[in-house]
Amino acid sequence: GAGVSQSPSNKVTEKGKDVELRCDPISGHTALYWYRQSLGQGLEFLIYFQGNSAPDKSGLPSDRFSAERTGGSVSTLTIQRTQQEDSAVYLCASSLGGGFETQYFGPGTRLLVL
Amino acid sequence: GENVEQHPSTLSVQEGDSAVIKCTYSDSASNYFPWYKQELGKRPQLIIDIRSNVGEKKDQRIAVTLNKTAKHFSLHITETQPEDSAVYFCAANPTDKLIFGTGTRLQVFP
Repeated sequence: GAGVSQSPSNKVTEKGKDVELRCDPISGHTALYWYRQSLGQGLEFLIYFQGNSAPDKSGLPSDRFSAERTGGSVSTLTIQRTQQEDSAVYLCASSLGGGFETQYFGPGTRLLVL
Repeated sequence: GENVEQHPSTLSVQEGDSAVIKCTYSDSASNYFPWYKQELGKRPQLIIDIRSNVGEKKDQRIAVTLNKTAKHFSLHITETQPEDSAVYFCAANPTDKLIFGTGTRLQVFP
């Protein structure tokens, strides 16, 4: 079956512009996660959606970052007024349930802020 | 909150040798410990996981051991091959999300 997909695969933007990154999770997966991975670094947790519960936003680095998940499926991560330090790969993952289920990652969106 | 420490940060081995990566966690509530492999430019992929009700799990050349008392778990790769070269991440789940270690870059030289 189809895995997690993300779009765009690459995004180049100018400092100060807003960007939207999209994630399509595996059908039927109730949990969805966003991570940020800077070059050569680890996986930094950003936000977690589980079913209809309020999202866990504890990893968002600033109020310029926000995310939503519509209809329990597709999610959009928005970065407002982008800064050069936002340049990274943004990875989305989904799982059948919560933290004890296997997470399946998407291919990521590589964001470059000039 | 949970802290997952991973060592070493880099590991170089000769093809055919074994490689061991170790992780420690702080929250005793964690009960699921997956390992992910990330090849250069690709997405992380699960290679093996272990739950707290077992102490060891093996899948061909890969094994994971868990010591709940000491709060540490390890990844063992035997008979390493060049295609094992990648970054490996451990993780633990103190709550409803995974906390990842900082990664180990494994290089296998032919």
